[in-house]
Amino acid sequence: DTGVSQNPRHKITKRGQNVTFRCDPISEHNRLYWYRQTLGQGPEFLTYFQNEAQLEKSRLLSDRFSAERPKGSFSTLEIQRTEQGDSAMYLCASSWDREEETQYFGPGTRLLVL
Amino acid sequence: AQKVTQAQTEISVVEKEDVTLDCVYETRDTTYYLFWYKQPPSGELVFLIRRNSFDEQNEISGRYSWNFQKSTSSFNFTITASQVVDSAVYFCALVMDSSYKLIFGSGTRLLVRP
Repeated sequence: DTGVSQNPRHKITKRGQNVTFRCDPISEHNRLYWYRQTLGQGPEFLTYFQNEAQLEKSRLLSDRFSAERPKGSFSTLEIQRTEQGDSAMYLCASSWDREEETQYFGPGTRLLVL
Repeated sequence: AQKVTQAQTEISVVEKEDVTLDCVYETRDTTYYLFWYKQPPSGELVFLIRRNSFDEQNEISGRYSWNFQKSTSSFNFTITASQVVDSAVYFCALVMDSSYKLIFGSGTRLLVRP
């Protein structure tokens, strides 16, 4: 039984470039979440999918950010025109609606914008 | 407003000492879930425990124990006979029944010295 996987694990980009991250949830999980964690802080919620429907988005998710979950399987998070303030760890989690909301996290993608 | 407070930023103990990590939460919901996650230096958040708001029983799992008290809105975590491998950042988190997003505290960094 594999856990949540994320790719790439690390990404270095120049300001203004677009980046895309991928998350593969645990196979039977129907809910998928994206969080962002900056140094010394707890993760902050970005967005949430139930199957393929995006049900909630944080105010943190500016219009430069877009997330998709086609067919309710893997998800992608794209950041357009990256800024230095986007540098953070991007965490993906998944859960099953029959397990009292326990979210299992992937290893994260660490983004550095130069 | 919903909030999780971990007042202890960093704790340093010598191996075999007992240590308690404090967590205080705020919510107006009557149904909610509380969690503890461990984040070792590798960065991946590891689920430790979930408690729902109707279950105030304390729980023990090996060297770990949790004390949930609704009267003081606290969900404290104790490690007995700490080991070097316990060194990590520990996060307390809250999920309300009305939303699926985890609300994290700022974390407590635990350093266990040999």
